[in-house]
Amino acid sequence: QVQLVQSGAEMKKPGTSVKLSCKASGYTLSFNTLHWVRQAPGQSLEWLGWIGAGPGDTKYSPKFQDRITITASTSANSAYMELSSLRSEDTAVYYCARHLSAALDIWGQGTVVTVSS
Amino acid sequence: EIVMTQSPLSLPVTPGEPASISCRSSQNLLHSNGNKYLDWYVQKPGQSPQLVIYLGSKRASGVPDRFTASGSGTDFTLKISRVEAEDVGVYYCMQALETPFTFGPGTKVDIK
Repeated sequence: QVQLVQSGAEMKKPGTSVKLSCKASGYTLSFNTLHWVRQAPGQSLEWLGWIGAGPGDTKYSPKFQDRITITASTSANSAYMELSSLRSEDTAVYYCARHLSAALDIWGQGTVVTVSS
Repeated sequence: EIVMTQSPLSLPVTPGEPASISCRSSQNLLHSNGNKYLDWYVQKPGQSPQLVIYLGSKRASGVPDRFTASGSGTDFTLKISRVEAEDVGVYYCMQALETPFTFGPGTKVDIK
């Protein structure tokens, strides 16, 4: 069964960083790009970036370019998204999703990140 | 970036009746390869988004044929021929033509 399983909820203080994981099962992560999308409470969806197969094969939203890093581990068949300089507006559910046929066809269950002092 | 808009934002429906959602993009989503890079997702209560339609009109695996979609380069429509209770949720359109991918504000479909 193809699925993406994400790490657990995080509570962070403003100014710190958070690193989330997304483990693929049922397929090889590097065969497709893996995207990160977030959803603030009561809001729509917001695309953050993706990682592909090759070293440094990443693309970030300009809005997050200076504070987001997406990495992957082939041995763990997992992807990671680190967001730094957290502020209260980063409180959201963060999703990873597989990209296939120009769409995000498989989504993780989401990770709740709460940023509060 | 490409801006996506949707209408209506709220859509109360009667089971068995049809429903239609519109999505508009600020730029043409028709690629030179002939594909329209517009997807539809539904987020059911308490769940992650799930793919309904990709490349403008192709139903995702497992999606019932009561869901159809069409569109030109900038105007797109998702139709449900006969709404069922399991169809409630928020429907989002998303452009996948260029990064940053962008989503519409969502249309909340619920039962009258």
